Amino acid sequence: GQQVMQIPQYQHVQEGEDFTTYCNSSTTLSNIQWYKQRPGGHPVFLIQLVKSGEVKKQKRLTFQFGEAKKNSSLHITATQTTDVGTYFCAGPGGQNFVFGPGTRLSVLP
Amino acid sequence: DAGITQSPRHKVTETGTPVTLRCHQTENHRYMYWYRQDPGHGLRLIHYSYGVKDTDKGEVSDGYSVSRSKTEDFLLTLESATSSQTSVYFCAISGGLAGSSYEQYFGPGTRLTVT
Repeated sequence: GQQVMQIPQYQHVQEGEDFTTYCNSSTTLSNIQWYKQRPGGHPVFLIQLVKSGEVKKQKRLTFQFGEAKKNSSLHITATQTTDVGTYFCAGPGGQNFVFGPGTRLSVLP
Repeated sequence: DAGITQSPRHKVTETGTPVTLRCHQTENHRYMYWYRQDPGHGLRLIHYSYGVKDTDKGEVSDGYSVSRSKTEDFLLTLESATSSQTSVYFCAISGGLAGSSYEQYFGPGTRLTVT
């Protein structure tokens, strides 16, 4: 079946440093979504990408969908302590969503 | 946040006992999902529903059953709880299928411990 992988599994950064997480699918995706889960919280939808090569920005967050629509990335510029959490990508797998295992981000003040 | 509640929020139960978790939504969304979240595994789909009385299995459905008698309620039952079912369970809702570009909204989660 379809697999969605993410790297790295963990990332520790100093506040102010940049952060990038990568998502790779075993199959071509019609769209990809990103979610953020704060420690002790629930996943919250961040954004959806649909078009090949699409780039979207939300303040310090930049999301990119690969040209082949099999990979995606999330880049955070100048991390802040509020960015702490786990970032998941998710893509359609049949009728449902298949989530990657997530990248846990720690930000040291 | 979307109108999704889960009950109970925390539960400790003994091996072999039945357990039912409830998900309630006020958004009138057609699709509802149950996931479990374990370290290193992300979110894994247990069962989902695409309408009242319409349900189907997900990736990790063994040992679980579901029911949906009303649009707003989706129940997850562990017929005979095992220690391997200790996990955090999330309910989610969506206005449409994954391939049709609908996002999911998650409930606050239920932390279940099976001793």
